[in-house]
Amino acid sequence: QVQLQESGPGLVKPSQTLSLTCTVSGGSISSGSYYWSWIRQPAGKGLEWIGRIYTSGSTNYNPSLKSRVTISVDTSKNQFSLKLSSVTAADTAVYYCARVSTSRFDPWGQGTLVTVSS
Amino acid sequence: QSVLTQPPSVSAAPGQKVTISCSGSSSNIGNNYVSWYQQLPGTAPKLLIYDNNKRPSGIPDRFSGSKSGTSATLGITGLQTGDEADYYCGTWDSSLRRVVFGGGTKLTVL
Repeated sequence: QVQLQESGPGLVKPSQTLSLTCTVSGGSISSGSYYWSWIRQPAGKGLEWIGRIYTSGSTNYNPSLKSRVTISVDTSKNQFSLKLSSVTAADTAVYYCARVSTSRFDPWGQGTLVTVSS
Repeated sequence: QSVLTQPPSVSAAPGQKVTISCSGSSSNIGNNYVSWYQQLPGTAPKLLIYDNNKRPSGIPDRFSGSKSGTSATLGITGLQTGDEADYYCGTWDSSLRRVVFGGGTKLTVL
């Protein structure tokens, strides 16, 4: 079965760029009609969709984050990535990656905590 | 302020039934499929219901979903202490052009 695992720095300085990678195992990121997505969750709060990418490279982003977000895919490594620029403390959250089919997210990665602090 | 509205909390006794509502509009729930997710403490969300009322394999039939107009409902019967979790609804919003989630509902099994 497909599994996802997030990786990247747990601490990012304000104004810098947050970079995370999601590695897909147990199946090819290119197989099937799936999108691959990033979602985040600040401590004690709800889920916020960041964006998604199709393996063709087509992307959709949350309009509230669009100016700062880039999602890319590397099919040769079976990975997709998130870059969020000009981060502030408000970007501190657990970041999840997930596979998407007709707007349902399944499965999810275990999540990785990213703290924005100097 | 979430686009989809859920009650912050619900509670019921073990063995009882509970429902969690998710209210939206014609641009989201009214014209798109709804999914439900269970988030146990300290873990990632897990898909419970998709396409309004379908259960992924491995999800017991104690969990059910329904949709009517611009609202959706998650039902859980035969409550167990292990069901204590946060539950989120989610769907696509055609006007906002993004995925939207409810604010989450904390289920307490008394």
